[in-house]
Amino acid sequence: AQSVTQLDSHVSVSEGTPVLLRCNYSSSYSPSLFWYVQHPNKGLQLLLKYTSAATLVKGINGFEAEFKKSETSFHLTKPSAHMSDAAEYFCVVSSRLSPSNQFYFGTGTSLTVIP
Amino acid sequence: ETGVTQTPRHLVMGMTNKKSLKCEQHLGHNAMYWYKQSAKKPLELMFVYSLEERVENNSVPSRFSPECPNSSHLFLHLHTLQPEDSALYLCASSQDTGEETQYFGPGTRLLVL
Repeated sequence: AQSVTQLDSHVSVSEGTPVLLRCNYSSSYSPSLFWYVQHPNKGLQLLLKYTSAATLVKGINGFEAEFKKSETSFHLTKPSAHMSDAAEYFCVVSSRLSPSNQFYFGTGTSLTVIP
Repeated sequence: ETGVTQTPRHLVMGMTNKKSLKCEQHLGHNAMYWYKQSAKKPLELMFVYSLEERVENNSVPSRFSPECPNSSHLFLHLHTLQPEDSALYLCASSQDTGEETQYFGPGTRLLVL
């Protein structure tokens, strides 16, 4: 079985301070993990993905995430928040080995950036 | 933009109406998906098509009827919907169902009165 837990439904940071969005996963297979971002009234945009290569994954807009198998975590970080980072963030787990390669989404974390 | 477009962007319909949502992908992908996004709930996968054949139907009520006439187009036909069907409906595509990265359209915001 596969599932994702996003530990915070809402995170608020000041502009210029670090961002940490937490994600824990459960997977019976070798997982692929993704972070997507959704700005208001927009679709989901891929930020980054992990597919069993380097455990530290760099994405767009200065975001990165580290795959930690021992902790079953895939937290998203950014050194310095920008106002344009305010959005909803989704952690996703999938596996090429699972039937139909279904995506399993977390419930999302809403990021607010305070000027 | 991701190369996946959806129309209309907003739709209001009564419970007795019939309407259709359209999705088009310009990426040359072979797999397409419909998702439902409701407030405070994870995205729900509704349908998966691969090479125009339906490969997944996650127990979606029959009032939602998908159609995939070719690998670039996906429709979701709606009839006799309920107010609880109000949500954002997202379309996505990927190279194949075994390809992990999915590319999403902007969604159709549906309100059922």
